[in-house]
Amino acid sequence: DIQMTQSPSAMSAFVGDRVTITCRASQGISNSLVWFQQKPGKVPQRLIYAASNLQSGVPSRFSASGSGTEFTLTISSLQPEDSATYYCLQHDSYPYAFGQGTKLEIK
Amino acid sequence: EVQLVESGGGLVQPGRSLRLSCTTSGFIFGDYAMTWVRQAPGKGLEWVGFIRNKLYGGATQYVASVKGRFTISRDDSKSVAYLQMNSLKAEDTAVYYCSRSLASDCWGQGTLVTVSS
Repeated sequence: DIQMTQSPSAMSAFVGDRVTITCRASQGISNSLVWFQQKPGKVPQRLIYAASNLQSGVPSRFSASGSGTEFTLTISSLQPEDSATYYCLQHDSYPYAFGQGTKLEIK
Repeated sequence: EVQLVESGGGLVQPGRSLRLSCTTSGFIFGDYAMTWVRQAPGKGLEWVGFIRNKLYGGATQYVASVKGRFTISRDDSKSVAYLQMNSLKAEDTAVYYCSRSLASDCWGQGTLVTVSS
């Protein structure tokens, strides 16, 4: 089974900061990676699909890149509403798997 | 507007069964795979499994922890996906979400399943 490891597990940053979250796969998954944002008590929302494609309606300060085993999600200028937990999901090989999540807080 | 609504959750004793439904609207249900994801209280997301559409034979896949106990099915005439959960354990306690497609582009609001005596 493919293991997905996110780093860091938690972080805090100031409004306006550039933030990067990393997701590593235990083996290559091509570009079969999705990023989700989940705010407390809310349903997960897809931000990015196919590793680097921005979901319609998602602010352009969100971007992502990567292929194979290493992937990054970047927020170019952190906003207060970006406080949430972020998850990656690999959908290349069965069983599909989420990363453990990265909790992002605003200082 | 795409909508997914889960139902059927509740309190159930260990060893018993429960069937969740995911009722959809706003898209051609038969064109999409459907995925189930769960989230235990205070924990992260866990992929449970999916069912492909008829073009792919309605094939299913599951995470190891539910294989042999959970079954995903679909009724394209009703635009509904199901998650049949048998031999439930305390560790199955979670909010269960259904989502559209293998890459989960749209999600329902979730339904809470509590397994406890």
